[in-house]
Amino acid sequence: EDKVVQSPLSLVVHEGDTVTLNCSYEVTNFRSLLWYKQEKKAPTFLFMLTSSGIEKKSGRLSSILDKKELFSILNITATQTGDSAVYLCAVSRGSNYKLTFGKGTLLTVNP
Amino acid sequence: NAGVTQTPKFQVLKTGQSMTLQCAQDMNHEYMSWYRQDPGMGLRLIHYSVGAGITDQGEVPNGYNVSRSTTEDFPLRLLSAAPSQTSVYFCASSLEGYTEAFFGQGTRLTVV
Repeated sequence: EDKVVQSPLSLVVHEGDTVTLNCSYEVTNFRSLLWYKQEKKAPTFLFMLTSSGIEKKSGRLSSILDKKELFSILNITATQTGDSAVYLCAVSRGSNYKLTFGKGTLLTVNP
Repeated sequence: NAGVTQTPKFQVLKTGQSMTLQCAQDMNHEYMSWYRQDPGMGLRLIHYSVGAGITDQGEVPNGYNVSRSTTEDFPLRLLSAAPSQTSVYFCASSLEGYTEAFFGQGTRLTVV
């Protein structure tokens, strides 16, 4: 059974802080790992990491994938109140393309 | 761009009633999925489809049916609603099963 574990489950920081969110996984025939941001409604895509793309960066957000140790981290620097959301990690396997999601990390950024 | 469209946005059902949640996408994606989201549980896969005429079960399929007669549409049917099916339901589509999934805005379902 595929497993995705995110930590911490919740986190409260002040504006300007840097945060690191963790995602560890156990999946047979790993294909990709994806990060999503979920505010009030639907999850929105942030990054996809695969064997051929283990580091991604977009503005203040960056992510790396460690395929040997089976984990990924999502870094957010200089946090803003607009970063407050649930961050979801998901992994897919090559054989059936199903995405397995973790339970998410609730990030609260206070002014 | 419409993307993934779900209807309705909200629904209240009585125990035992049946209903269909609609999902349509206009991106010509082969892969479509239904998830439910409960507090503290993340997103759990109900059913998915890898193309028209092909569907398969996900992690929590009991009490739900799907069909995929066209590339665009992937309805989810609740056969006999139960309070345990109170949840937020998301439909998603992707070009490939392992790539970025685009989500609909969700349906908040309450079964009383």
